Amino acid sequence: QVTLVQSGPEVKKPGASVKVSCETSGYTFSIYGISWVRQAPGQGLEWVGWLAPYNGNTNYAQKFQGRVTMTTDTSTNTAYMELRTLTSDDTAVYFCARDGRGDYYGVGDFFDYWGQGTPVTVS
Amino acid sequence: DIQMTQSPSAMSASVGDRVTITCRASQGISNYLEWFQQKPGRVPKRLIYGASRLESGVPSRFSGSASGTEYTLTINNLQPEDFATYFCLQYKNYPRTFGQGTKVESK
Repeated sequence: QVTLVQSGPEVKKPGASVKVSCETSGYTFSIYGISWVRQAPGQGLEWVGWLAPYNGNTNYAQKFQGRVTMTTDTSTNTAYMELRTLTSDDTAVYFCARDGRGDYYGVGDFFDYWGQGTPVTVS
Repeated sequence: DIQMTQSPSAMSASVGDRVTITCRASQGISNYLEWFQQKPGRVPKRLIYGASRLESGVPSRFSGSASGTEYTLTINNLQPEDFATYFCLQYKNYPRTFGQGTKVESK
């Protein structure tokens, strides 16, 4: 079965960086894009960005441009999101989710599987 | 960017009620819309994709519909386990954008 397993909770000081991993299994990692979404305490869902393991393309939300980097390791089927220059506003749970196929369009292939979430606390 | 305006932000309902939640897109999104249910401390669960297609395993009391740029999630015969927060998501374009969420509470 398809699973996305994220790294554990992080506590960071303001100004530091955090790197969250999302290890996937149960499907062909290189075919599907991965989006990262965050949720601040008591708030809604906010899209951070997307990357395509199949061609290395990325698309970041404007508010995170210059501060976020998304990468993959195809040897371990793992996606990473690094967020730099953290502030207390970055305190949130960060989720990875499968987001679309690169080989063809499948209407059901978007945000169908999610990681369990990684709490990041900046304090 | 495509804005998703979701309403209401919160509502009170009783078991057995019919609940309707709406998302309006700021431009056409060609039914590239999904609905999610989220309970506190849990991962969002996809209910509807492609605006009206029911996720496998999701009860048939959940349904989605579209009219122009307005998308609707309907829950018929609300059950106790349906009290949760619901979000819409458009995936027509980047950036992906979510509605603000609707919290369905027990009356």
